[in-house]
Amino acid sequence: QSALTQPASVSGSPGQSITISCTGTSSDVGGYNYVSWYQQYPGKAPKFMMYDVSNRPSGVSNRFSGSKSGNTASLTISGLQAEDEADYYCSSYTSSSTYVFGTGTKVTVL
Amino acid sequence: EVQLLESGGGLVQPGGPLRLSCAASGFTFSFYAMSWVRQAPGKGLEWVSDISGSGDTTYYADSVKGRFTISRDNSKNTLYLQMNSLRAEDTAVYYCAKADRTKVNLVAIGNWGQGTLVTVSS
Repeated sequence: QSALTQPASVSGSPGQSITISCTGTSSDVGGYNYVSWYQQYPGKAPKFMMYDVSNRPSGVSNRFSGSKSGNTASLTISGLQAEDEADYYCSSYTSSSTYVFGTGTKVTVL
Repeated sequence: EVQLLESGGGLVQPGGPLRLSCAASGFTFSFYAMSWVRQAPGKGLEWVSDISGSGDTTYYADSVKGRFTISRDNSKNTLYLQMNSLRAEDTAVYYCAKADRTKVNLVAIGNWGQGTLVTVSS
């Protein structure tokens, strides 16, 4: 049950696009289209941002998009805004019927 | 509106027990798998355990297997986490979480509670 690997930090200027990667194995990210993403502000509960790799829950901005290639999933934020500054976590269902999170990425808006 | 309200957190000595509860409302509780996720101070999210809607299937992270027990009472719309043999490394905010879809294993978390802090220290 090793955590999925994410970059510790990603930054961008307002209006730019950034991409956060999430690397797992064929037993989790690569084996299922059950990758999800969560946004978390300091001291707050996480918020559901993406499910099944590329589907946005109701109410989530279409500036957020998801994709997957092999064992690596990605979350792209387009038109970066100050309010996007937060921590982001990926997650995946696993072949053991368990659930695993990524290591987390701090997004900074310059 | 989905609401998940955790309770039961607090300070406990190493080796001691603690039981967390999560009162759920705003949805048909028995239709959804539920989960506990924790976050140690300054650290990332860690999945702890989840349970099927009926309560007959449970899963645990290796770090808590044999020490923690997840359960639910669908008549009371309440989720529980019994934590035994607590260690300092179990110190964390514990979140109650609801699956995003009905009648399947946990594949995504659609809703989160606000969390309850568990501190294991002498």
